[in-house]
Amino acid sequence: QKEVEQNSGPLSVPEGAIASLNCTYSDRGSQSFFWYRQYSGKSPELIMFIYSNGDKEDGRFTAQLNKASQYVSLLIRDSQPSDSATYLCAAYGQNFVFGPGTRLSVLP
Amino acid sequence: DAGVIQSPRHEVTEMGQEVTLRCKPISGHNSLFWYRQTMMRGLELLIYFNNNVPIDDSGMPEDRFSAKMPNASFSTLKIQPSEPRDSAVYFCASSFRHQETQYFGPGTRLLVL
Repeated sequence: QKEVEQNSGPLSVPEGAIASLNCTYSDRGSQSFFWYRQYSGKSPELIMFIYSNGDKEDGRFTAQLNKASQYVSLLIRDSQPSDSATYLCAAYGQNFVFGPGTRLSVLP
Repeated sequence: DAGVIQSPRHEVTEMGQEVTLRCKPISGHNSLFWYRQTMMRGLELLIYFNNNVPIDDSGMPEDRFSAKMPNASFSTLKIQPSEPRDSAVYFCASSFRHQETQYFGPGTRLLVL
């Protein structure tokens, strides 16, 4: 059973702080990794994807991948209340597998 | 370009009735996915199609569920007969290729009484 694990949270951070979201995966054959944001009552929307070890930055978001440790993370700098949502990590090996999501709350 | 389109957005039905959910993927996308999301089980992949052909339906819960993709611009997910435990949000997503980024539709909120 291929799994993606995330801390369900909630993760609470003050406005302006860095939010760090973590994800581990069991399938060593996983090739690509995705972070989706899902607001309550809405559909998941892509934040970032990453294929290679290391960091990938896009605005306030940085994805980090460590294939040796089977670990993916998402950092959100200068967190805003509008970042409050559930963040889903997904890994693609033979198929897409989504984690259960981490609920982030950014406090004004 | 319009995103993934799903209909209906909300469906309330009684146990035992047939339910049909519809999806129009993004034009040019070759892969289509059906997911179910509940608080208890999170986002579960039910089935996906590649070039209109079902590739993996191992996530389909039981024979009451069936999915079709008669052409590149339309797919259906049917539940017959429906049961209260089928109540969930059903998402359709599409991607250009199977291993690439999936774009989700708005979802269909299904309530089976």
